[in-house]
Amino acid sequence: AQKVTQAQTEISVVEKEDVTLDCVYETRDTTYYLFWYKQPPSGELVFLIRRNSFDEQNEISGRYSWNFQKSTSSFNFTITASQVVDSAVYFCALTEVNFNKFYFGSGTKLNVKP
Amino acid sequence: DTAVSQTPKYLVTQMGNDKSIKCEQNLGHDTMYWYKQDSKKFLKIMFSYNNKELIINETVPNRFSPKSPDKAHLNLHINSLELGDSAVYFCASSQAGGEGGDTQYFGPGTRLTVL
Repeated sequence: AQKVTQAQTEISVVEKEDVTLDCVYETRDTTYYLFWYKQPPSGELVFLIRRNSFDEQNEISGRYSWNFQKSTSSFNFTITASQVVDSAVYFCALTEVNFNKFYFGSGTKLNVKP
Repeated sequence: DTAVSQTPKYLVTQMGNDKSIKCEQNLGHDTMYWYKQDSKKFLKIMFSYNNKELIINETVPNRFSPKSPDKAHLNLHINSLELGDSAVYFCASSQAGGEGGDTQYFGPGTRLTVL
């Protein structure tokens, strides 16, 4: 069964718009970890955030914010005032307790147009 | 200084050949991984080593063989390359003993093209 679903395949916005990338996960574990990574056109995978299942506080880092809701099994990512440099594929990932095996979502490609 | 490095960055080869991709991390991490990213950008784990010991071995053809000479290196050897092996291969590392929750740091990727 797919553990991480990113239903939005591709999103296009105009610079300065806010955009939210959705991530829904599935797990039977009570302890688990969620991540977001960014893959810009240059191809590398850049770590953005890590969250454990016991910490439901939302997090803000500059223009980035994350909304973790266990009730809906979601870990959504919002970019405020998007910029062209935000154009990338964004991946959500889940790992469970026993092994640090990442289950990646299929990614959301974000296009930010000037 | 590059934290996780891979060589080569690009690899173009003929079907049937054998090739290797090398990975090194200078983060002092205990665990290293190989992932495959297909043409649709889907990322899937292949292997994981903790202190030179294999701890994750997904359903991967046995033509793929990882080798970890020490905890800072994890190489991937591929025998009898097939067209379907064309993909981007990422190496990653994480600090602790392979238990869940450690952040993984990725190398720049190796784009393998099999002709």
